[in-house]
Amino acid sequence: DAGITQSPRHKVTETGTPVTLRCHQTENHRYMYWYRQDPGHGLRLIHYSYGVKDTDKGEVSDGYSVSRSKTEDFLLTLESATSSQTSVYFCAISALRATDNEQFFGPGTRLTVL
Amino acid sequence: SQQGEEDPQALSIQEGENATMNCSYKTSINNLQWYRQNSGRGLVHLILIRSNEREKHSGRLRVTLDTSKKSSSLLITASRAADTASYFCATDSGGGADGLTFGKGTHLIIQP
Repeated sequence: DAGITQSPRHKVTETGTPVTLRCHQTENHRYMYWYRQDPGHGLRLIHYSYGVKDTDKGEVSDGYSVSRSKTEDFLLTLESATSSQTSVYFCAISALRATDNEQFFGPGTRLTVL
Repeated sequence: SQQGEEDPQALSIQEGENATMNCSYKTSINNLQWYRQNSGRGLVHLILIRSNEREKHSGRLRVTLDTSKKSSSLLITASRAADTASYFCATDSGGGADGLTFGKGTHLIIQP
């Protein structure tokens, strides 16, 4: 998976608890992304980063925050998990050569909020 | 909001046949990409076609792009059982850095 790992791979948590998902890359790519995948919706962008400490919101950012203190790590935090955040979360990276921004995806984290 | 919409949602064909999937989108794009996802796995990039290109080939894959109709098609020739997967189109409208917009996908089943 192009040098991208996600942890944990599976997590079950309870409503109202904080959750942090980690994405780690060994490719030294500048751009990193968090998506969620739900049946009937495809993948939707949550947040993205274009460099260390540089992040921005995506389409479905409410209830999520991110941080990037090192090039290789991009953290996604659910401050107070809700059942609507039950989903599969994918991290992706991109080298962004000119306008060719193909992305490489991690294996995903399956999160269940009870 | 969903940019790309794949059609059909599901497709089942016999091994050796060709599979065609379509994608329609709503706004102008810089490029359109196709990804494959095997069950329980992450997405794998297949092919990228720029807005000024009309057709592109990669192995058994052929992608077309019609910007006037805001549509693209992915053709997989001589299908194999290993091609069984979900296929997603994704569009880049924002210049590259700010993520892709994915469709809901076509689930392709290759019958042996």
